[in-house]
Amino acid sequence: QKEVEQDPGPLSVPEGAIVSLNCTYSNSAFQYFMWYRQYSRKGPELLMYTYSSGNKEDGRFTAQVDKSSKYISLFIRDSQPSDSATYLCAMSVGNAGNMLTFGGGTRLMVKP
Amino acid sequence: DAGITQSPRHKVTETGTPVTLRCHQTENHRYMYWYRQDPGHGLRLIHYSYGVKDTDKGEVSDGYSVSRSKTEDFLLTLESATSSQTSVYFCAISGGPGTDTQYFGPGTRLTVL
Repeated sequence: QKEVEQDPGPLSVPEGAIVSLNCTYSNSAFQYFMWYRQYSRKGPELLMYTYSSGNKEDGRFTAQVDKSSKYISLFIRDSQPSDSATYLCAMSVGNAGNMLTFGGGTRLMVKP
Repeated sequence: DAGITQSPRHKVTETGTPVTLRCHQTENHRYMYWYRQDPGHGLRLIHYSYGVKDTDKGEVSDGYSVSRSKTEDFLLTLESATSSQTSVYFCAISGGPGTDTQYFGPGTRLTVL
């Protein structure tokens, strides 16, 4: 079993829909949680960064962490075709090497 | 791409030849990483560096070596390329403790024939 699980998709939604992307993890020591967006043939770019449990909002994006359930989510409101990408979750225990453990990524397609 | 460049961006080579990929950063970050990304496997850490001349192995280090002689440059060498090393290679950088995020370069697409 992988340390971080993420449904690979693809997830196809119409423009304007609310999108929910999720990851589950097994290591209770994870404290820092990130979401990366990766467009085709590009490098991953950091989208959201949260520490411990709770919610964080940035424009149309909301990151949610539930450490008791070992479950993190990324919500995208009013989804746009430009949101079509692969979304990777990543997490860290907060070690000195800043080592990250990644999920496999979920491919999202937003159709006009 | 947070001041990170990778070269070459694309390379085709033959089995058995040595290949060196370069990562260059202008952010003066301490930590640098090399990943490979393959369908079904996601991002896997090959090697990382925590300072000049300080490197360590990651999850999939066999067949790869690295060097870091300057803060800004991190080299990945495939000593004798094999077809299983056909992949997209990403370099990433990170600051010190308390900055638990990594920033990625644009990637190098390597094909080993």
